[in-house]
Amino acid sequence: NAGVMQNPRHLVRRRGQEARLRCSPMKGHSHVYWYRQLPEEGLKFMVYLQKENIIDESGMPKERFSAEFPKEGPSILRIQQVVRGDSAAYFCASSHEQFFGPGTRLTVL
Amino acid sequence: KNQVEQSPQSLIILEGKNCTLQCNYTVSPFSNLRWYKQDTGRGPVSLTIMTFSENTKSNGRYTATLDADTKQSSLHITASQLSDSASYICVVSWLSGAGNNRKLIWGLGTSLAVNP
Repeated sequence: NAGVMQNPRHLVRRRGQEARLRCSPMKGHSHVYWYRQLPEEGLKFMVYLQKENIIDESGMPKERFSAEFPKEGPSILRIQQVVRGDSAAYFCASSHEQFFGPGTRLTVL
Repeated sequence: KNQVEQSPQSLIILEGKNCTLQCNYTVSPFSNLRWYKQDTGRGPVSLTIMTFSENTKSNGRYTATLDADTKQSSLHITASQLSDSASYICVVSWLSGAGNNRKLIWGLGTSLAVNP
């Protein structure tokens, strides 16, 4: 959907490196949801953030994954020490109406 | 347990034909139900959103129905086109806890292929 921006669109990392995924919601929206979609699978909720607050992180792995949505700037999903199993498409959605961005496809070599 | 189940898992139809996709859910308390279309390699795009009181909603050639009593929804596609080939995902929203934390339960989708 127009207005929700994600970058990069494609990201390649080697095992053990860090991946940073960015999401800018639609103008005026202050809620961001992150989802992960493994190949041939449905979307899985990871985390829901408002500006400067994590509201629900029940879907996010306890280790290596973190998310933030600062007062200024995009929301960032960070994956530390990536493993091959992290290879997936990561989507963010803006607001409760869930306008989706184009996704970031992470490939871990 | 809150669940959303879709059927069929995959479907192949000829261009110009109609088709109906099903979604059954056990989510409670129910907030709304959405149908999304996801093209390969793209983010999901919303087709319809229905609340408890709505029985049907249309968006062009897409018509969604909702029976809140039986907790069933369907998405009907009329006069299919090649560009309708995509995954169609049913998503049910519910309110969790005392606050306004809306949770979404995503179905696994129906993969539709429209052949010429």
